[in-house]
Amino acid sequence: QVQLVQSGAEVKKPGASVRVSCKASGYTFTSYEINWVRQATGQGLEWMGWMNPNSGDTGYIQKFQGRLTMTRSTSISTAYMELSSLRSEDTAVYYCVRVGLYGDAADYWGQGTLVTVSS
Amino acid sequence: DIQMTQSPSSVSASVGDKVTITCRASQSISSYLNWYQQKPGKVPKLLIYIASSLQSGVPSRFSGSGSGTDFSLTISSLQREDFATYYCQQTYNTPKTFGQGTKVEIK
Repeated sequence: QVQLVQSGAEVKKPGASVRVSCKASGYTFTSYEINWVRQATGQGLEWMGWMNPNSGDTGYIQKFQGRLTMTRSTSISTAYMELSSLRSEDTAVYYCVRVGLYGDAADYWGQGTLVTVSS
Repeated sequence: DIQMTQSPSSVSASVGDKVTITCRASQSISSYLNWYQQKPGKVPKLLIYIASSLQSGVPSRFSGSGSGTDFSLTISSLQREDFATYYCQQTYNTPKTFGQGTKVEIK
């Protein structure tokens, strides 16, 4: 069965960086796009960007330009999301999602990783 | 960026009620509209893709319709397990924006 297993919760100080991993199993990792979505406590879903695990191509929303990096290791079927220069407003649950073959819908989600930014 | 606006922001309903949530895009998105359900403390779950296609395993009381800029999600007979927040998302282009969510609460 398809699974996306993310790394554990993180607590970071303002200005630091965080890297969240997302290990995929149950399907061919390089055949499906990975997106990252975040959700602050009590708030809605915010789409952050995409990565093609086959080519490594990426795209990020404007507000994260220069702070967000998505990478992957195909040998271990793992995607990574690194966010730098953290601010308190980056405190949120971060999800990796697999983009399905129909309509680019997010058909499988990781369990989420809580990133807390606090001094 | 394409803006997605859901209405209402919240709705109170009883078990057995028919509930309809709407989602409007700021420009035409053809049928590239998906619906997700999120229960408190849980991961979002895909319900409907390409406006009206039911994701495998999702009960048939859920249905989606629309194209262009106006879409809707209908729950034909609300069940207790359907009380949750629902989000629409456009995947016509990037950024793949979400609506702000609609909370379905127990009356």
